Amino acid sequence: AQSVTQLDSQVPVFEEAPVELRCNYSSSVSVYLFWYVQYPNQGLQLLLKYLSGSTLVKGINGFEAEFNKSQTSFHLRKPSVHISDTAEYFCAVSQNSGGSNYKLTFGKGTLLTVNP
Amino acid sequence: DAGVIQSPRHEVTEMGQEVTLRCKPISGHDYLFWYRQTMMRGLELLIYFNNNVPIDDSGMPEDRFSAKMPNASFSTLKIQPSEPRDSAVYFCASSLLGAGSYEQYFGPGTRLTVT
Repeated sequence: AQSVTQLDSQVPVFEEAPVELRCNYSSSVSVYLFWYVQYPNQGLQLLLKYLSGSTLVKGINGFEAEFNKSQTSFHLRKPSVHISDTAEYFCAVSQNSGGSNYKLTFGKGTLLTVNP
Repeated sequence: DAGVIQSPRHEVTEMGQEVTLRCKPISGHDYLFWYRQTMMRGLELLIYFNNNVPIDDSGMPEDRFSAKMPNASFSTLKIQPSEPRDSAVYFCASSLLGAGSYEQYFGPGTRLTVT
């Protein structure tokens, strides 16, 4: 079984400030990792993913994340946020094995609020 | 591409009534997922299909819930009878194995309220 912990349920920041949203996971096998964003009253949209290769992955809207296997973390970062980044962010994991590749387990989400 | 389409967007029903939620995946996608989102439990995978065949329904909460995928372009999630604790936002998502990206494309969701 796998699980995801998003350490902060809410993160308020000022516009143009840097932000880091934290995500830790647990799994007995190797994993694929994802960050999704949900804007109000909308479905989820993929921000970025780690499948293999470079541990630093870049996504849309200037976001990036780093896979740290030893710390079982996949923290999301952006050097300078905009008002439009206000949304809920979900970290998700799936097992890199057989037929479980598509079975995502999501964290509880982090609400990022960017204030002017 | 219209994306994943869900209907209705909002559903209000009384306890004990049957509720049917509908989903049209992105054309050509071969995986379809149903999720439930609540404040208490977050986003939970209920069931997923591959090529119209249910692969894993271990997340379906109880026998009152059932899901079908009669063809590649349509799926339903049915709750019978509905209960107030079923109130949630239900999302459908689809994905394409051949793309190798494992990205799931989500619909806008159906907000279900059971009174």
